[in-house]
Amino acid sequence: DAKTTQPPSMDCAEGRAANLPCNHSTISGNEYVYWYRQIHSQGPQYIIHGLKNNETNEMASLIITEDRKSSTLILPHATLRDTAVYYCIVRVGNYGQNFVFGPGTRLSVLP
Amino acid sequence: EAGVAQSPRYKIIEKRQSVAFWCNPISGHATLYWYQQILGQGPKLLIQFQNNGVVDDSQLPKDRFSAERLKGVDSTLKIQPAKLEDSAVYLCASSLGTVSPLHFGNGTRLTVT
Repeated sequence: DAKTTQPPSMDCAEGRAANLPCNHSTISGNEYVYWYRQIHSQGPQYIIHGLKNNETNEMASLIITEDRKSSTLILPHATLRDTAVYYCIVRVGNYGQNFVFGPGTRLSVLP
Repeated sequence: EAGVAQSPRYKIIEKRQSVAFWCNPISGHATLYWYQQILGQGPKLLIQFQNNGVVDDSQLPKDRFSAERLKGVDSTLKIQPAKLEDSAVYLCASSLGTVSPLHFGNGTRLTVT
């Protein structure tokens, strides 16, 4: 089972920031948090990942709480093309490689 | 850099037939994964390879599914015989190392009639 909990759906107005939450209360000290998104008929696309510090790249920012039990993915200026299912994943497994996907959050960016 | 390549893009077969999917990972990526994604659900791991060895195949239905990664590069996933419930998108992914993110192909959409 996935180690994360996400809301099933969210709406966001075009041009506004989209803040997608994720709970991972059982995360271990050496487990990373990864975010992916999936647009219809495509494979999941990597967005960002982090361990404990906040991270930013050209696509998004990742804010991880100090206790590491939750995180938020921020899309600073959402566009219609950001409409997708967003997955928050905590790496599990003995080899640190297995990715377990939950159902994700369906983000709808509205004009 | 070229992404993960998968073929075919679509496949329609009748139940009890056989089917095979092909994946070419990103060059230099030692780890390769096959996932099954049923409509409306997140992807589910079927099998993970490290080079040409199997790391995890605990969720692979071994009575009908098989996978190989000869020479530690390309991989094939086979279903024989197919069932109606195998209708899904089969995704291949690869990664460079232990904490490196996975990079996915666009998958093969299988329809079993």
